[in-house]
Amino acid sequence: ETGVTQTPRHLVMGMTNKKSLKCEQHLGHNAMYWYKQSAKKPLELMFVYSLEERVENNSVPSRFSPECPNSSHLFLHLHTLQPEDSALYLCASSQESGTFYEQYFGPGTRLTVT
Amino acid sequence: KNQVEQSPQSLIILEGKNCTLQCNYTVSPFSNLRWYKQDTGRGPVSLTIMTFSENTKSNGRYTATLDADTKQSSLHITASQLSDSASYICVVRGGGADGLTFGKGTHLIIQP
Repeated sequence: ETGVTQTPRHLVMGMTNKKSLKCEQHLGHNAMYWYKQSAKKPLELMFVYSLEERVENNSVPSRFSPECPNSSHLFLHLHTLQPEDSALYLCASSQESGTFYEQYFGPGTRLTVT
Repeated sequence: KNQVEQSPQSLIILEGKNCTLQCNYTVSPFSNLRWYKQDTGRGPVSLTIMTFSENTKSNGRYTATLDADTKQSSLHITASQLSDSASYICVVRGGGADGLTFGKGTHLIIQP
């Protein structure tokens, strides 16, 4: 195990539902990330938090709303999603958000939007 | 535009055989290059990290090479095992706030 946990592991939701993904890291890291992984596409960085402040938002639709209450927890709130949002959502953490620090990934949440 | 291209897209080999996966990148400036292994249903796990000055780095049966002049890297797997079946992702760290450019990965299947 990498020290990064994600819940739930699988989620099926309708387009009108509201749900949240949770990520927790037990590594004492200061930076956390949300990635989207779609089939046959590279990982797409969605959000970066460093010391609980958002430092980057890669033009993600507003139907995805991140929350980082402390350096160990990261949430991704979902509402009125589209079928094309179905993907594997990966959380990662690193010691800092600089250029060299290795990222440790969680197992992901497999999201299906119906 | 920063890009990372991996080949082949998928590969099937017999258990015990060797294989080599390729990664070409156009990321600039270059900081480091990582190879990740991602098992089905799991998150990526780092295998190796290489900086500009490193040509070769090994991790057990995995050996990564880096040619910073031609901007190419390879991952060689020796004496493959069934547990090597996974996607292998090449990631190059360069400029930008987070600065990571991911390849699409090579899907490797080891057959008994």
